Amino acid sequence: GENVEQHPSTLSVQEGDSAVIKCTYSDSASNYFPWYKQELGKRPQLIIDIRSNVGEKKDQRIAVTLNKTAKHFSLHITETQPEDSAVYFCAASITGNTPLVFGKGTRLSVIA
Amino acid sequence: NAGVTQTPKFQVLKTGQSMTLQCAQDMNHNSMYWYRQDPGMGLRLIYYSASEGTTDKGEVPNGYNVSRLNKREFSLRLESAAPSQTSVYFCASKNGGGETQYFGPGTRLLVL
Repeated sequence: GENVEQHPSTLSVQEGDSAVIKCTYSDSASNYFPWYKQELGKRPQLIIDIRSNVGEKKDQRIAVTLNKTAKHFSLHITETQPEDSAVYFCAASITGNTPLVFGKGTRLSVIA
Repeated sequence: NAGVTQTPKFQVLKTGQSMTLQCAQDMNHNSMYWYRQDPGMGLRLIYYSASEGTTDKGEVPNGYNVSRLNKREFSLRLESAAPSQTSVYFCASKNGGGETQYFGPGTRLLVL
């Protein structure tokens, strides 16, 4: 089955700097890659996703890139703000009803 | 729309007791999922239901049972709780592959 690895497990950046979180997946059939943000004590919420027919997607300060050949995808947050502090999860699945497989998460701390 | 709802929000059990965690969604989604979240372990799939009338095991099904009562409701039962089942449990739903998966607010379970 699918295995998703996520790095780093913790990341501290200064406010205004960029943050990058990387994930690799094992199943070449996976074609849907969402990223979730989980604030302390809250539920995970989708912030951006990408499908395998697209190499990059941007939404304001957030971008995701996908390299199908290398089977890895990354989350990029620019101009980080204190409210970006949270745990971020990557996930992968094959479209259809197969479940998402999540990475173990990255705790991002943005220091003011 | 309430989205995905879960009850209870918090529960304390003694070892060996049983309980059922309830989940409901009002988005007419076909697929529903139960995850557990433990520190450093990410979101691990317990059971899922790809459509009404079907259920399948996930990564960590031992000690749990599920019932897809109807399209809206998907319950998780612990028959004989163990301290290793202390965790935060999230229910989620989506409407097929490549679609946004929505999470409930979570149930925090403590087994003494």
